[in-house]
Amino acid sequence: AQSVTQLGSHVSVSEGALVLLRCNYSSSVPPYLFWYVQYPNQGLQLLLKYTSAATLVKGINGFEAEFKKSETSFHLTKPSAHMSDAAEYFCAVRVLSGGYNKLIFGAGTRLAVHP
Amino acid sequence: GAVVSQHPSRVICKSGTSVKIECRSLDFQATTMFWYRQFPKQSLMLMATSNEGSKATYEQGVEKDKFLINHASLTLSTLTVTSAHPEDSSFYICSARTGTDPYNEQFFGPGTRLTVL
Repeated sequence: AQSVTQLGSHVSVSEGALVLLRCNYSSSVPPYLFWYVQYPNQGLQLLLKYTSAATLVKGINGFEAEFKKSETSFHLTKPSAHMSDAAEYFCAVRVLSGGYNKLIFGAGTRLAVHP
Repeated sequence: GAVVSQHPSRVICKSGTSVKIECRSLDFQATTMFWYRQFPKQSLMLMATSNEGSKATYEQGVEKDKFLINHASLTLSTLTVTSAHPEDSSFYICSARTGTDPYNEQFFGPGTRLTVL
């Protein structure tokens, strides 16, 4: 079964530091992978998605992610953290089940940014 | 981007009552809608998927008689929590997708926080 695993439920960085949020996937077929951000008491916003067109995917707010098949990873990075980046981040994989394409989410990583 | 709204944003009800949550796609036609629930500090768990005019497909372990989903139009889906109990307290998020391409983007609503006393 296809799934994603996010390593680290909490990540804390200093403002201006590199952000690295880890996601590994399990899939027997080329996966469609996504990163979403959730601010407190809000829905999810798409940051970026991988659909096999390019291994390095650039998203909104300066985030990017690199698909590495050999490592089955799709880690999210940002060169310089801002205070406004503090939020919950979810990695997700699209699976086909029961005739529907569905998004299956990882457990999430809470990013804290401190001055 | 496309906008999905939910109403109400928060609801508090007494145990045993029913609560209806609306999900609307404001500027696009939502061929498929999804309902998720999210417990505090946890991930989103898919409850059900529905296509407009069809019965919803529920995920394993989700009681279809308790969580009634109606997707009567291309812009509206409703989730009714029947005979709510405290354990149903959660954050409910809907998502909508347009068109017939299953790889079209899903847009998420802002969520509804349900508290059952």
